[in-house]
Amino acid sequence: DGGITQSPKYLFRKEGQNVTLSCEQNLNHDAMYWYRQDPGQGLRLIYYSQIVNDFQKGDIAEGYSVSREKKESFPLTVTSAQKNPTAFYLCASSAGLAASTGELFFGEGSRLTVL
Amino acid sequence: QKEVEQDPGPLSVPEGAIVSLNCTYSNSAFQYFMWYRQYSRKGPELLMYTYSSGNKEDGRFTAQVDKSSKYISLFIRDSQPSDSATYLCAMSDRNAGGTSYGKLTFGQGTILTVHP
Repeated sequence: DGGITQSPKYLFRKEGQNVTLSCEQNLNHDAMYWYRQDPGQGLRLIYYSQIVNDFQKGDIAEGYSVSREKKESFPLTVTSAQKNPTAFYLCASSAGLAASTGELFFGEGSRLTVL
Repeated sequence: QKEVEQDPGPLSVPEGAIVSLNCTYSNSAFQYFMWYRQYSRKGPELLMYTYSSGNKEDGRFTAQVDKSSKYISLFIRDSQPSDSATYLCAMSDRNAGGTSYGKLTFGQGTILTVHP
């Protein structure tokens, strides 16, 4: 089955620690995205990548970093510089420029809690 | 002012009711309009997609877009308890370079509960 796999599903972090969230897709999509979801705020774009070895900051990139070394993978690192990292993180992919609609396909999310 | 405004609810209705979910937006460049459904502790999934103005129907769901008023709606007929979820509107523009594909702007989401 094609889809997006995020891991871990739940993660606890102590303040001052960096953590990396994994996102893998087997949909052969060019574009991948990371969103953050907080109650009452909808989804906010952190980073996106339209092609391997290239990525762009979204609306709330501060305190986060990404890499896109392979088409299938787009890991997100939440650094200690992120002031309020407790949130639900969603990875998504789309066919990018080949898409007619820009529809996003989402993973099941990773819930990060800072203790 | 946010680019996309959506009433977060929560909205609670009895089974069989007609549900109306709405979003307003300010960016007149938006051309692609979507509704995503998100069950608790899951990722959103695309429910309806509409290009430009007009209506689209799929079973019990109808999406409407009024670009002149910058207003979109999702109607759910004969609502079921399985419709209980958060509904997110999303929209995107299409710039000259086509690089904004997939860069969706989301509303805050409306939490819907349909009780038996």
